[in-house]
Amino acid sequence: TQLLEQSPQFLSIQEGENLTVYCNSSSVFSSLQWYRQEPGEGPVLLVTVVTGGEVKKLKRLTFQFGDARKDSSLHITAAQPGDTGLYLCAGAKRNYGQNFVFGPGTRLSVLP
Amino acid sequence: DAGITQSPRHKVTETGTPVTLRCHQTENHRYMYWYRQDPGHGLRLIHYSYGVKDTDKGEVSDGYSVSRSKTEDFLLTLESATSSQTSVYFCAISPSSGGVRNEQFFGPGTRLTVL
Repeated sequence: TQLLEQSPQFLSIQEGENLTVYCNSSSVFSSLQWYRQEPGEGPVLLVTVVTGGEVKKLKRLTFQFGDARKDSSLHITAAQPGDTGLYLCAGAKRNYGQNFVFGPGTRLSVLP
Repeated sequence: DAGITQSPRHKVTETGTPVTLRCHQTENHRYMYWYRQDPGHGLRLIHYSYGVKDTDKGEVSDGYSVSRSKTEDFLLTLESATSSQTSVYFCAISPSSGGVRNEQFFGPGTRLTVL
């Protein structure tokens, strides 16, 4: 059972365009993380959101945690080729033995 | 970089042979995790450890065992490798479990091919 769904699965855009990717669940999480993974490397943590409704900005990236703490979005403004990669969301649940659940990822390709 | 190394980085082995992957951290974090990553499945938890000699199963633990005799080392063993265990294996560490500081930091991965 996939506890976290991500959409779209694949996204190919031109440099300079804006995009949004989504992470959705029917479960409530105590926090949610976004990671970016490049080929041949491990995932790298971008941000952690904790409070329902929280918005965090990291340069051209804006992350939002849903009010009910079941979903999140990542918006990229003026995408650049360096943004290319696999974007993963991961949810953490208190008192959940396995601690972290990952979505399947959104593979983003930004063309110059 | 979080101080996490994995060895070997690449391995090719034959069905039925034992394989051990090593994860080493220099951060003294309590929690360590082993994941496998496969197309269409994302990252799936194999086993995790919440302290020396304290381990528990994850979502896809069948065919795998782990050991943690020191804080800094977490070993993943495939007792008798099968082709279905061909994958990229990632180790991760975390300073805590649950709560607001439950962030994970990943190693560079080990690409394992079982022929």
